[in-house]
Amino acid sequence: EVQILESGGDLVQPGGSLRLSCEVSGFTFTRHAMSWVRQAPGKGLQWVSSLSSSGISAYYADSVKGRFTVSRDLSENTLILQMNSLRADDTAMYFCARGLCRSDSCLWFLYDHWGRGTQVTVSS
Amino acid sequence: EIVLTQSPGTLSLLPGERASLFCRASQSVDSANLAWYQQKPGQAPKLLIYDTSTRATGIPDRFSGSGSGTDFTLTVSRLEPEDFVIYYCQHYGSSVTFGGGTMVEIK
Repeated sequence: EVQILESGGDLVQPGGSLRLSCEVSGFTFTRHAMSWVRQAPGKGLQWVSSLSSSGISAYYADSVKGRFTVSRDLSENTLILQMNSLRADDTAMYFCARGLCRSDSCLWFLYDHWGRGTQVTVSS
Repeated sequence: EIVLTQSPGTLSLLPGERASLFCRASQSVDSANLAWYQQKPGQAPKLLIYDTSTRATGIPDRFSGSGSGTDFTLTVSRLEPEDFVIYYCQHYGSSVTFGGGTMVEIK
């Protein structure tokens, strides 16, 4: 059974840093691209960042580029999002999501399994 | 960047009725790259439909998707009580964007 569990969310002051983790199990971590998607309170979904299945390529939304870094720890089957220079508009629930693999290809941005999310609040 | 506009913002219907949710793209998209998600309160989104019309694993056949170019539709043939939640469309080509969502509420 595919399981995705996020952790690390917290209340942090503007300008602060936070490290989110996404522990996965039940599938081959290195076969799938993984992404972070966030949702501000009462708002819609916003893609944040993606890491390729190889772990070599990473992509970021313009709003977080230069402040957030995505990586992974294969020994822990964990995707990591390092968040620096946090701003009030980064306040959101952060979801970790798995890219779907079909018979002929694996996709970066189509998500077939999601975690339950971890809450990040940026406020003084 | 492709912008997705969902309509209506809120759809008020009764259980058993048919729901049609719309998603319009700011420019023509490859129909292989349009998906729909369902989100229940306090939960993560759940993939319903991808490639415009392919149901994800375990999704009941009362959910169907159609469309091409800039206009796409999610249809729920007969609403069940658990279907009264929020739905998002998504484009997932070389980049990714989500629509603003449609809430389906009980009339």
